[in-house]
Amino acid sequence: DGGITQSPKYLFRKEGQNVTLSCEQNLNHDAMYWYRQDPGQGLRLIYYSQIVNDFQKGDIAEGYSVSREKKESFPLTVTSAQKNPTAFYLCASSTAGERTGELFFGEGSRLTVL
Amino acid sequence: AQSVTQLDSHVSVSEGTPVLLRCNYSSSYSPSLFWYVQHPNKGLQLLLKYTSAATLVKGINGFEAEFKKSETSFHLTKPSAHMSDAAEYFCVVKERGSTLGRLYFGRGTQLTVWP
Repeated sequence: DGGITQSPKYLFRKEGQNVTLSCEQNLNHDAMYWYRQDPGQGLRLIYYSQIVNDFQKGDIAEGYSVSREKKESFPLTVTSAQKNPTAFYLCASSTAGERTGELFFGEGSRLTVL
Repeated sequence: AQSVTQLDSHVSVSEGTPVLLRCNYSSSYSPSLFWYVQHPNKGLQLLLKYTSAATLVKGINGFEAEFKKSETSFHLTKPSAHMSDAAEYFCVVKERGSTLGRLYFGRGTQLTVWP
């Protein structure tokens, strides 16, 4: 079955540590996205990539980094510079030619900083 | 500029009664509008979308929404709630021609369904 796989589902991190969240898709989508979700705030865009080897900052990119070396993979690194990293992180993808904006989401990764 | 306001953070209904989740939007241009649903600790799933065709849009699981330009609203309705409808619902706006993926999410409405 086609879809988006995020791992790990739950992750605990000590302050000062970097952590990388994995996102893999087998939908053959060109575009991929990372969102952060906090209670009562909806989703906020961290980074997005419309094509391999290219990505753009979203609204809250500070303290995060990404890479897009392969079409199917878009890992997100939460660095120690991110002041409040505890959140639910969602990866999504879409066809680059899809003008209507439908996104397909993974099941999320919940990061807790201890 | 675009923004989305979901007028209720929580809605509670009894099973079998109608559901109304309210959404108002602000957009400089003709927007595309969406409703997504999220069950606990899961990703989001598209319920329905409006992209300039019929103003009454039907989605999955018996939900529908009506685009009212004069009221800048896109309220989500369902005639009869089911226990499985309990989830969080997000209204989303995207301007026509804007960068793909620049969706703007409302803060969500948590729907509780009582037996």
